[in-house]
Amino acid sequence: KNEVEQSPQNLTAQEGEFITINCSYSVGISALHWLQQHPGGGIVSLFMLSSGKKKHGRLIATINIQEKHSSLHITASHPRDSAVYICAVREYNTDKLIFGTGTRLQVFP
Amino acid sequence: EAQVTQNPRYLITVTGKKLTVTCSQNMNHEYMSWYRQDPGLGLRQIYYSMNVEVTDKGDVPEGYKVSRKEKRNFPLILESPSPNQTSLYFCASSSGDGVWAPLHFGNGTRLTVT
Repeated sequence: KNEVEQSPQNLTAQEGEFITINCSYSVGISALHWLQQHPGGGIVSLFMLSSGKKKHGRLIATINIQEKHSSLHITASHPRDSAVYICAVREYNTDKLIFGTGTRLQVFP
Repeated sequence: EAQVTQNPRYLITVTGKKLTVTCSQNMNHEYMSWYRQDPGLGLRQIYYSMNVEVTDKGDVPEGYKVSRKEKRNFPLILESPSPNQTSLYFCASSSGDGVWAPLHFGNGTRLTVT
């Protein structure tokens, strides 16, 4: 079993829809990252959180430390949001970064 | 412009021929790290460094070496590359110990070992 699990693996949506991507982890963590990888391959950091909720534009990330779960929400989705979204956790004991396998999102006009 | 620069972007080599992938950042970041990305497996950490002369193994360090002689540079060395090291490689950096700050990624290096 992977230490970081994301769901769904693939997601398609119509423009304007509300999107939720989930991340569950089984290790103790000091921080959780949400990353975005565009079709060209470049990776951009969206959020880094250790508790609560963060918002940036149409993106919202939440984390529940007790339940070992995080969600990434996209409001009013747009075709330019089409990308792979990756959850990564910084393991508390080892400082290693462990990644989920990503969620591929496609938003159609 | 603040950036992480990896070179080369593409590299094709043969089994056993030593190679180095360079990584440089201009943000005075303490934390630097290397990852490989493979289909179905996602990103996996190879090595990371908290500061100059401090390096630690990630999840998949076998077959790789790193060094951190200067703060800005963190090269990845493959002493004797093998076909199973064919992959897409990313370098990243972050301020502090990398826990409380976002990661900045390079553009990636696609390595093919024949």
